[in-house]
Amino acid sequence: DIVMTQSPVSLPVTPGEPASLSCRSSQSLLHSNGYNYLDWYVQKPGQSPQLLIYLGSNRASGVPDRFSASGSGTEFTLKISRVEAEDVGVYYCMQALEAPLFGQGTRLEIK
Amino acid sequence: VQLVESGGGLVQPGGSLRLSCVASGFTVTSNQMTWARQVPGKGLEWVSLLYTGGDRFYADSVKGRFTVSSDPSKNTMFLQMESLRPEDTAIYYCARGTEYRISWRDYYYYMDVWGKGTTVVVSS
Repeated sequence: DIVMTQSPVSLPVTPGEPASLSCRSSQSLLHSNGYNYLDWYVQKPGQSPQLLIYLGSNRASGVPDRFSASGSGTEFTLKISRVEAEDVGVYYCMQALEAPLFGQGTRLEIK
Repeated sequence: VQLVESGGGLVQPGGSLRLSCVASGFTVTSNQMTWARQVPGKGLEWVSLLYTGGDRFYADSVKGRFTVSSDPSKNTMFLQMESLRPEDTAIYYCARGTEYRISWRDYYYYMDVWGKGTTVVVSS
């Protein structure tokens, strides 16, 4: 079974500063079609999860361009170029190559 | 476009519960649909998938106990939960999977609409 590992567990960031969140998979998520079956979601306090990124690097509709994602195979990164207060929440990566599996999450906090 | 879950509540171990997920603004049977759950304060766990063709998939933790279905006339997806255990206690979310066409034979689904969730507590 695939294991998803996110780091750090908690990430305090000063507003206006960048943030980098890591997601690691125990098996390659690169499909034979050339796409990485990896999504990113954020769950803001008191809210449901919401989609940020799909297929490794595609921003979902309405997601600000300060969010970007990269990576391939087993190593993935979500970057926020300039953190805003509204970005507070728990960020989850999720693999969809096999039965969907979420990572344990990274909690982004404002310093 | 909206999803609204209902049907949660307090149930004794071994009991049953049926969750509903009512869609508005789109057709449930024309989309892949997902149930996921979350123990309060913990991470997300995928529970089940219902494809447009009727194929259903379940997490090992609920296989044989949970059944996903849909009713086109009500534009609603259901999750029938049997033999409930204390570890099934969680907030249950439904989500829409929107299709992204990669090629003529490959497509991908991403969960772009989520409900607010309904809470299930399994306790004596």
